[in-house]
Amino acid sequence: DAGVIQSPRHEVTEMGQEVTLRCKPISGHDYLFWYRQTMMRGLELLIYFNNNVPIDDSGMPEDRFSAKMPNASFSTLKIQPSEPRDSAVYFCASSPGVAGVGETQYFGPGTRLLVL
Amino acid sequence: DQQVKQNSPSLSVQEGRISILNCDYTNSMFDYFLWYKKYPAEGPTFLISISSIKDKNEDGRFTVFLNKSAKHLSLHIVPSQPGDSAVYFCAANRGGQNFVFGPGTRLSVLP
Repeated sequence: DAGVIQSPRHEVTEMGQEVTLRCKPISGHDYLFWYRQTMMRGLELLIYFNNNVPIDDSGMPEDRFSAKMPNASFSTLKIQPSEPRDSAVYFCASSPGVAGVGETQYFGPGTRLLVL
Repeated sequence: DQQVKQNSPSLSVQEGRISILNCDYTNSMFDYFLWYKKYPAEGPTFLISISSIKDKNEDGRFTVFLNKSAKHLSLHIVPSQPGDSAVYFCAANRGGQNFVFGPGTRLSVLP
């Protein structure tokens, strides 16, 4: 398996533009997570899905952020409009089916976003 | 309000010596803890875990200790190797899939 795939790996955009980050989870994994890593706050969970359904989006910073999972093999995280403070590394991760103790998450390589 | 804290942003250790990375948590409901390792330009990878019913878990050179009364866990790496140089994240949850991560500690193992 190729692991979790994220695209693009790097994104530079101007303030006010729409940004779309993409993720393909590991085949067969039922959980998908979006994280954001910054120097100040470390690794923060933004939202996670189970079987394509959003379960917990309490970490989404504000309405400018939205995430979708139209099918089991694809998810997007959209920022509209983007702001300089959104600059961070965004990670997607997936996890196998049964929830509970013992589960671990497999992370993609991340998308480094810079908003000018 | 950070529920998982790693108070040392960085740590330097000589090759062959022991590395000790610390993690504190505030939520007494957490019952499962993990350590992840992250190299530059890569995503974090799982390293070792421990359940709250244990106080120690060992995997090769890596040992995690849990002190529930102090809400503290630590990762010991013995002996440390240059390839261990990375950022280490502590994470915790109380069942399910919602993990809370610490801010990370950057370990440098000097040859």
